[in-house]
Amino acid sequence: DAGVTQSPTHLIKTRGQQVTLRCSPKSGHDTVSWYQQALGQGPQFIFQYYEEEERQRGNFPDRFSGHQFPNYSSELNVNALLLGDSALYLCASSIGAGGLPDTQYFGPGTRLTVL
Amino acid sequence: TQLLEQSPQFLSIQEGENLTVYCNSSSVFSSLQWYRQEPGEGPVLLVTVVTGGEVKKLKRLTFQFGDARKDSSLHITAAQPGDTGLYLCAGYDYKLSFGAGTTVTVRA
Repeated sequence: DAGVTQSPTHLIKTRGQQVTLRCSPKSGHDTVSWYQQALGQGPQFIFQYYEEEERQRGNFPDRFSGHQFPNYSSELNVNALLLGDSALYLCASSIGAGGLPDTQYFGPGTRLTVL
Repeated sequence: TQLLEQSPQFLSIQEGENLTVYCNSSSVFSSLQWYRQEPGEGPVLLVTVVTGGEVKKLKRLTFQFGDARKDSSLHITAAQPGDTGLYLCAGYDYKLSFGAGTTVTVRA
């Protein structure tokens, strides 16, 4: 049973460009959350997708957008890249639930470098 | 800006020693989670604590949730090199808010 997979592993872009990162959730999971982890920091919540809709959003500008497909996989898009967008982007999958926090399984991340 | 403050930021100890990592917040969370992250990998969930004053033990790891549900600690007994990693606490209030983490190095 494959866990959460992300692609690509590493990516180098220049300022102003646009990037798309991809995530396939763990089998049986229907909820995908995206996080940004800057060097030396903990992950920061970007947004969460459930049933192809954005359910929760953190404090990130509109340059960050996402999508969830019918097979529950997800994409994170970042437009007009800034140097400060350089980070490890983590995807986590879970089974939608209320009350207690979902048990989230994280992928290995995509390392984005903006030059 | 991290809502949760973790201390210390770095910790280096000898194999066999004990260590404690702290996680503090001015906010109340409905629950708190601890993760461990190794280089090149995503965080892996260790435990979820829900009730104020709750203590959970996982082999050599002991997790405590403060009575007011604002702080937590992770204690490792007789640390081993395999315990090396970045330990992250995360508070849950409809979304996860992570601390900056404590980098633990256990020397053989």
